[in-house]
Amino acid sequence: DQQVKQNSPSLSVQEGRISILNCDYTNSMFDYFLWYKKYPAEGPTFLISISSIKDKNEDGRFTVFLNKSAKHLSLHIVPSQPGDSAVYFCAASAHFNKFYFGSGTKLNVKP
Amino acid sequence: EAQVTQNPRYLITVTGKKLTVTCSQNMNHEYMSWYRQDPGLGLRQIYYSMNVEVTDKGDVPEGYKVSRKEKRNFPLILESPSPNQTSLYFCASRPIDRDRGLVGNQPQHFGDGTRLSIL
Repeated sequence: DQQVKQNSPSLSVQEGRISILNCDYTNSMFDYFLWYKKYPAEGPTFLISISSIKDKNEDGRFTVFLNKSAKHLSLHIVPSQPGDSAVYFCAASAHFNKFYFGSGTKLNVKP
Repeated sequence: EAQVTQNPRYLITVTGKKLTVTCSQNMNHEYMSWYRQDPGLGLRQIYYSMNVEVTDKGDVPEGYKVSRKEKRNFPLILESPSPNQTSLYFCASRPIDRDRGLVGNQPQHFGDGTRLSIL
């Protein structure tokens, strides 16, 4: 059974609005969470991460929120831009050696 | 340019014919890993390596072998490929944060992928 789940395969948002991508996990031992972005024919590229000792981390237009009690994290992109259109993967790790990825959410930002 | 290079990028082969996918990184990273990506399943870790001669199983190691004889290279070996190993494969590397004395929280750098089709 997958330990990291992204239940929305796709999301469509208007340019300039907020994009919210969600991720749930089951393993309470996970202590490090990341978001990766992937364009077609390329490998995933790192976007933003958060340690389990925090509940929020910001980097420019990107903010990741972590709710440990709910085992839920989310990525907020504000404002969304057409160049943000890609597949987004969340990932989790316990002790930084083994990593578990969600199935991805395809974001489409419409001009 | 810092990069993770995988070869080949595409390969169509037949069941049972041994193949090797190479992975090389030029960033002097200690940690390297292999993943496969399948529709609806995301990326699943196959094997990882914390340093030269140190390898360990990921989530889906069955049917695969790896070796880490040099720091920069981490080949993925399919001794007897089967159709269920048809997938998109990614190699990744990351540095280890020695100051923490642990693996640290440096993100992984990924190669551009190898699409394997096994008939």
